[in-house]
Amino acid sequence: SQQGEEDPQALSIQEGENATMNCSYKTSINNLQWYRQNSGRGLVHLILIRSNEREKHSGRLRVTLDTSKKSSSLLITASRAADTASYFCATDDSGGSEKLVFGKGTKLTVNP
Amino acid sequence: DADVTQTPRNRITKTGKRIMLECSQTKGHDRMYWYRQDPGLGLQLIYYSFDVKDINKGEISDGYSVSRQAQAKFSLSLESAIPNQTALYFCATSANPGQGSVDTQYFGPGTRLTVL
Repeated sequence: SQQGEEDPQALSIQEGENATMNCSYKTSINNLQWYRQNSGRGLVHLILIRSNEREKHSGRLRVTLDTSKKSSSLLITASRAADTASYFCATDDSGGSEKLVFGKGTKLTVNP
Repeated sequence: DADVTQTPRNRITKTGKRIMLECSQTKGHDRMYWYRQDPGLGLQLIYYSFDVKDINKGEISDGYSVSRQAQAKFSLSLESAIPNQTALYFCATSANPGQGSVDTQYFGPGTRLTVL
């Protein structure tokens, strides 16, 4: 079953602009993770945020988590053409099965 | 060298054939996973293993089997391939963070499988 759902499904911006992607999930979590996938390649981990954290930064990436709304956002600042990729959120299964459940992703295109 | 490797990277086969996809890792992780990705969709979990003697079914295990030959090796088999198993297949590994949680997963480059 799909736990995380990203929004929007696709996003097209110009280089230098900020990109914001959202993820909503259904049940309680221990942590939420964001991954990037370049076309047809393996996923690369970006950030893990725990349920007791509200915000986390890594370089140009900023992730927020609102457990009361069961939602997270990924902000990429000053985007570059190399940021063009699909971005997925993944949550652990709240039933304690220790698996990740991935959303369908947001496809980001950064135009030069 | 890559931490998680998959072979083959591309495979075209015919309906009814048996196919094995292999995954090796040098990260020393106990946990290994096989996922399937269809175009425009997220990843679906096929099987996962938390140690050499542990095998668990994921969401879409029908038509697939796995073997955990060693801590570093986890193979996925399609016993009798069918066209709707055409997809990208990813292997991933993770450490065990304890406390019923899930740690960062490290993915291989993927195998593109086409079943004619």
